[in-house]
Amino acid sequence: GAVVSQHPSRVICKSGTSVKIECRSLDFQATTMFWYRQFPKQSLMLMATSNEGSKATYEQGVEKDKFLINHASLTLSTLTVTSAHPEDSSFYICSAIRPGGGDFSYEQYFGPGTRLTVT
Amino acid sequence: QQQVKQSPQSLIVQKGGISIINCAYENTAFDYFPWYQQFPGKGPALLIAIRPDVSEKKEGRFTISFNKSAKQFSLHIMDSQPGDSATYFCAASMGGDMRFGAGTRLTVKP
Repeated sequence: GAVVSQHPSRVICKSGTSVKIECRSLDFQATTMFWYRQFPKQSLMLMATSNEGSKATYEQGVEKDKFLINHASLTLSTLTVTSAHPEDSSFYICSAIRPGGGDFSYEQYFGPGTRLTVT
Repeated sequence: QQQVKQSPQSLIVQKGGISIINCAYENTAFDYFPWYQQFPGKGPALLIAIRPDVSEKKEGRFTISFNKSAKQFSLHIMDSQPGDSATYFCAASMGGDMRFGAGTRLTVKP
């Protein structure tokens, strides 16, 4: 199956610093990637849609200046949490669209997630 | 705006039993309906998916039933095992813009 990786898997940072999370599609090219946030025992909340070569589209209520997204290539998207605060502590998960997957015109695969803790 | 409603919130099943999770959606433009399995501290893993023009899909012990007119779909896990204990999310996607249900925490008791 398709594989999406994330790095780092866990990160602890101090309040006020910035943290970069990488999302890579390992065996396919992804023109579109998504970033989600998940709080404990809750569902995934879409933060933004990342399109290769263009600006990300942010969901309502998500601060684009705080959560910087760069989709630099067809296999890499990065999420930078700027000036992190303790309330940004969460589980961040990316996903990637793989076109033409068998019975479907596309399939969506998720990365393993990154646990961010801001102290 | 909750576009996908999932129930039950939690489910306890005995080993060997059938686990059934239900979802309902609102937007008829959705074209891809996957189910994901998530273990604590891990990302969601694609379990099985269905297109809206198919009424049922089976892969091993997992079956999706899809009712387009009722805008409902469900996941059936046959012969449930303790290793199936996880949180299950249904989702509906339109061109990759995916909306998730709230999740169902399944516990399979030995």
